Amino acid sequence: KQEVTQIPAALSVPEGENLVLNCSFTDSAIYNLQWFRQDPGKGLTSLLLIQSSQREQTSGRLNASLDKSSGRSTLYIAASQPGDSATYLCAVYNAGNMLTFGGGTRLMVKP
Amino acid sequence: KAGVTQTPRYLIKTRGQQVTLSCSPISGHRSVSWYQQTPGQGLQFLFEYFSETQRNKGNFPGRFSGRQFSNSRSEMNVSTLELGDSALYLCASSLERSYEQYFGPGTRLTVT
Repeated sequence: KQEVTQIPAALSVPEGENLVLNCSFTDSAIYNLQWFRQDPGKGLTSLLLIQSSQREQTSGRLNASLDKSSGRSTLYIAASQPGDSATYLCAVYNAGNMLTFGGGTRLMVKP
Repeated sequence: KAGVTQTPRYLIKTRGQQVTLSCSPISGHRSVSWYQQTPGQGLQFLFEYFSETQRNKGNFPGRFSGRQFSNSRSEMNVSTLELGDSALYLCASSLERSYEQYFGPGTRLTVT
């Protein structure tokens, strides 16, 4: 059974810092990996999708990497801003189109 | 192109009642999946529908059921509601199976 873990569970940083969020998964037989952002009480906003054959994806200040062999992914956020404050969720695509989510990292960026 | 829509957005029900939630996928998307989000358990997969057939089911009791219509719209039903069913229910759609999933805003269900 796939298990996804995200570390740290919460993070508070001053504005402008570069930061790294970590995601690990137990079964390397994944199809894709996706990073989401969730604001309080809202749905999920897709940030980056990494296909299993890819090593990384970039979008603006965000960069996500994937190492299937070690079961790890990282989300790098450059020059953090208060508007980046949210919960960040990592999810892996398993067989049967089922997403398994990590517990999330709650990020607070202080002005 | 319009995103995934879910109705209603908020719902309050009493224990023992039943409830039906609706999800309209992005136009052209054929796969619809449902997830439950609670503070204690996080996000958990409920089921997936593709071409009107349930293709996969998570570890939830039979009180949770769903269906998909020929226009890909989906409904999920929860019968005999329990307090523990209070959650944010999220629907996601994708063009095909194993393609990128797009989530709706969710339905917040409160059971009293």
